[in-house]
Amino acid sequence: AQRVTQPEKLLSVFKGAPVELKCNYSYSGSPELFWYVQYSRQRLQLLLRHISRESIKGFTADLNKGETSFHLKKPFAQEEDSAMYYCALTTSGTYKYIFGTGTRLKVLA
Amino acid sequence: KAGVTQTPRYLIKTRGQQVTLSCSPISGHRSVSWYQQTPGQGLQFLFEYFSETQRNKGNFPGRFSGRQFSNSRSEMNVSTLELGDSALYLCASSLGPLGGSGNTIYFGEGSWLTVV
Repeated sequence: AQRVTQPEKLLSVFKGAPVELKCNYSYSGSPELFWYVQYSRQRLQLLLRHISRESIKGFTADLNKGETSFHLKKPFAQEEDSAMYYCALTTSGTYKYIFGTGTRLKVLA
Repeated sequence: KAGVTQTPRYLIKTRGQQVTLSCSPISGHRSVSWYQQTPGQGLQFLFEYFSETQRNKGNFPGRFSGRQFSNSRSEMNVSTLELGDSALYLCASSLGPLGGSGNTIYFGEGSWLTVV
């Protein structure tokens, strides 16, 4: 069965420190992976997806098929990065999204 | 362009009652999917509709059902409500069916359901 695991419920870092939000998935085929973010009082929105290979708000994520991971990274955290982050997986033809349980990132001043 | 709209935003129901939640997707989007969000379980997929057909359903009991209309608007219904059904119910829309390459899903603000 497809599964997305985010091992940390809460991650606290100081402003300017590097951030890594972990995401591991289980799926034997070729998944599409995403990171969604929910800022306080805002709706859930797409942050980035692996097929785009882009950097959004300084965040990057690389799909590692060998380790079945899609960790989200940022070299220097900002206070405005504080939010709830969800890793998600979908696969062609399954018509569903699987989300992790989320990691709350707190960036301390 | 208007975003995904969900109604009602907040509601309180009694155990045993039923509830219907509504979702209007972004104009032109034909896929609507529903999710249950709780603090302990995170976001769990309920079902997806594309062109009025349910394409997939998550691991939820038959009390959870939905439908999609010809204008892509969708409703979900929960019958015989239980306390554990208290959650934020999110709707999302996308141009194509879930899993389609590059399809981005856009979320509504959700409907907060409290069962007492």
